[in-house]
Amino acid sequence: DGGITQSPKYLFRKEGQNVTLSCEQNLNHDAMYWYRQDPGQGLRLIYYSQIVNDFQKGDIAEGYSVSREKKESFPLTVTSAQKNPTAFYLCASSSRDRTNYGYTFGSGTRLTVV
Amino acid sequence: KQEVTQIPAALSVPEGENLVLNCSFTDSAIYNLQWFRQDPGKGLTSLLLIQSSQREQTSGRLNASLDKSSGRSTLYIAASQPGDSATYLCAAGSGSARQLTFGSGTQLTVLP
Repeated sequence: DGGITQSPKYLFRKEGQNVTLSCEQNLNHDAMYWYRQDPGQGLRLIYYSQIVNDFQKGDIAEGYSVSREKKESFPLTVTSAQKNPTAFYLCASSSRDRTNYGYTFGSGTRLTVV
Repeated sequence: KQEVTQIPAALSVPEGENLVLNCSFTDSAIYNLQWFRQDPGKGLTSLLLIQSSQREQTSGRLNASLDKSSGRSTLYIAASQPGDSATYLCAAGSGSARQLTFGSGTQLTVLP
């Protein structure tokens, strides 16, 4: 079945540590996105990529970095510069088919600072 | 900058009732509007996608409408069931990458 796989499901980070969240899709979608969700709030866009080897900052990119070396993969690194990283992180992808830009989401990674 | 607002923030109804969730957006230059369902601690499940040229979409007991000129969308749920209890999020797609801007969601509880 086609879909998006995020791993790990739960992640714990120590102060000053970088961690990387994985996102893989087998939907053949061109565009991929990373969102952050805080309790009781909607999702906020961190980074997005429309094509391999290209990505753009979203609304809250500070303290995060991404890469897009393969169409299927869009990993997110939460760096030590991100002062409040505890949140639920969601990866998504969408087709660039002009008739349908619907999004598909992964099941998320919950990151906690310890 | 696009802003999306959802009203109410929380809603509790008895089983069997019909209900309407509201979503408004500030920039009418959208490509589409999408409604999602989120269960606690889970990812998002797409419910309905309305393209900018469409007025409404239906799936089973769900019907979503879009009025771009007034910047509004509604999600109508018929004959609600306890299994419908979840948070419902609307999101407007705009910008060069059709990136979604989300509302804060409506937390729905359907009482048996």
